[in-house]
Amino acid sequence: DIQMTQSPSSLSASVGDRLTITCRASQNIYSYLNWYQQKVGKAPNLLIYSASSLQTGVPSRFSGSGSGTDFTLTVNSLQPEDFATYFCQQSYGTPLTFGGGTKVEI
Amino acid sequence: QVQLQESGPGLVKPSQTLSLSCTVSGDSFSGGGYYWSWIRQPAGKGLEWIGRIYASGTTHYNPSLKSRVTISMDTSNNQVSLKLSFVTAADTAVYYCARGHGTTTADYWGQGTLVTVSS
Repeated sequence: DIQMTQSPSSLSASVGDRLTITCRASQNIYSYLNWYQQKVGKAPNLLIYSASSLQTGVPSRFSGSGSGTDFTLTVNSLQPEDFATYFCQQSYGTPLTFGGGTKVEI
Repeated sequence: QVQLQESGPGLVKPSQTLSLSCTVSGDSFSGGGYYWSWIRQPAGKGLEWIGRIYASGTTHYNPSLKSRVTISMDTSNNQVSLKLSFVTAADTAVYYCARGHGTTTADYWGQGTLVTVSS
């Protein structure tokens, strides 16, 4: 299985901050990397697909970068509604696997 | 607008079979190159992909669950089903169904349904 390692596992931030979350794959997954946001009690919501493509309807303050084994999710000017948990997920090979999540708190 | 809705028993006894359905509306269920995944999440923990089914009927399962999992689809009712046999407390989780296409694993999700395994 491809292991996905996210860091940090949690962080504290403030409104207006620039947020960076990293995700590392245990092998080359090219650009087959998706990012999700999950709020408490809700299903995850797709933010970024194919490492850097913004899903329709997602604010442009979210962006993704990287390829191979190292990936980054960036949120510019953090908004109150962005406090949530973020997951990366590889779609290069089955079983599809997720990172452990990054909880973003105030 | 695509909508997915999971349904099924919220409580299952150990060693029995967990059975869930996911009803899809507002989309071409059996066309468009889509596939339908089941993903679960124990309380306070991360996400685990269970498996997926394509419109062709092709399935892929997580090897960690493969011996116990069956995913099927009923195109006449726009439903995808999950069966997980010989459940234990470790199978207690919120179960989600999700739509995928290409390498975009899950662009639409159901709201999830909590299944508790307990006697």
